[in-house]
Amino acid sequence: DIVMTQSPDSLAVSLGERATINCKSSQSVLYSSNNKNYLAWYQQKPGQPPKLLIYWASTRESGVPDRFTGSGSGTDFTLTISSLQAEDVAVYYCQQYYSTTSFGQGTKVEIK
Amino acid sequence: EVQLVQSGAEVKKPGESLKISCKGSGYSFTSYWIGWVRQMPGKGLEWMGIIYPGDSDTKYSPSFQGQVTFSADKSVSTAYLQWSSLKASDTAMYYCARVATISYLFDYWGQGTLVTVSS
Repeated sequence: DIVMTQSPDSLAVSLGERATINCKSSQSVLYSSNNKNYLAWYQQKPGQPPKLLIYWASTRESGVPDRFTGSGSGTDFTLTISSLQAEDVAVYYCQQYYSTTSFGQGTKVEIK
Repeated sequence: EVQLVQSGAEVKKPGESLKISCKGSGYSFTSYWIGWVRQMPGKGLEWMGIIYPGDSDTKYSPSFQGQVTFSADKSVSTAYLQWSSLKASDTAMYYCARVATISYLFDYWGQGTLVTVSS
């Protein structure tokens, strides 16, 4: 099984500042035949279901603001919110879909 | 518009059975897998498994194999998650989600069904 580990567990960022969340997989999720990383990011706001933000490690889902950027390859990935807005307060999860699926434990983003 | 609408909150006693539902609309229900995800109170997301409504093929996470049963009725575009004997530890929010054309990527989610098991 692939274990996903996020860091930090929580972070507080001032409005307009950058937020960075890391995700590490216990084995590579890069599929060599298509050179794609099977890594997604979800946002879960309080009282709501998760929402798909990014897949293939860096492809934004339709309608997702461009302040959300995914990067990384292999086993190390990052979700960056370039300028934090109040509506970005949420828990963010990474997910690998390389081998069935598994989620990271989540990172809670708050306003400082 | 793709929608997944789940049944309402349930309060049950240990040992009771339960079946919750997830009704899809706005797309071809039989052409996409449906996944189930558990979220225990204050905790993260756990993948339970998936079902293909077209032929009811199922894949269970090892952690949930034998603990729950997935089913689907394509005539009413609805997937189901059921327990034969609930435990207090089954208390959680349960989400259904459509699996995108990319395997195990969940692109649309239901609103969730809260299941509370308490004596």
